[in-house]
Amino acid sequence: QQQVRQSPQSLTVWEGETAILNCSYENSAFDYFPWYQQFPGEGPALLISILSVSNKKEDGRFTIFFNKREKKLSLHIADSQPGDSATYFCAASALPGTGSNRLTFGKGTKFSLIP
Amino acid sequence: EAAVTQSPRNKVAVTGGKVTLSCNQTNNHNNMYWYRQDTGHGLRLIHYSYGAGSTEKGDIPDGYKASRPSQENFSLILELATPSQTSVYFCASGDEGPQFFGPGTRLTVL
Repeated sequence: QQQVRQSPQSLTVWEGETAILNCSYENSAFDYFPWYQQFPGEGPALLISILSVSNKKEDGRFTIFFNKREKKLSLHIADSQPGDSATYFCAASALPGTGSNRLTFGKGTKFSLIP
Repeated sequence: EAAVTQSPRNKVAVTGGKVTLSCNQTNNHNNMYWYRQDTGHGLRLIHYSYGAGSTEKGDIPDGYKASRPSQENFSLILELATPSQTSVYFCASGDEGPQFFGPGTRLTVL
């Protein structure tokens, strides 16, 4: 079964808009949630991450909002730029330092800007 | 300078042939991982390792073997390649928290 779900599958916005990428999970043991950015022909690269003890994490134009009760999180990309066009993966694992950092990945959201 | 490297970057193999994909990391991580990426499936874990000499099965290990001869190196082995194993393969390393990925190997099995 799919433990990490992402929506939408693809998203297109105008330059300068805020994009919202959604993620939900099923396993209550997940406490660490990294988001990865992947450009065509490259490997995924860590973009931003959050621990379940927080409900918000900001890094420049990228913000994660986290709702533990609903098992949902979202990645907000403010002031979208052409260089943000990529596929974004939500992932989840147990708390770092607890013995395993096996990540479970969602299927990704392909994000692009309207030319 | 890249911390996780993979070779080859592209490979064409024949059905029934043996394929070895190699990964090297300079992060000094104990844990290393092999994933495959297919459209519509995201990243799926094939095998992983906790250190030299150890290998563990991931979520989709059938048809694959792994080898971890040293801290730095982790190989994925397809003893009898099949067309269904055509995919992009990523290696990653990481001990606590994030994993760091290599650039990938595109494998085509004809």
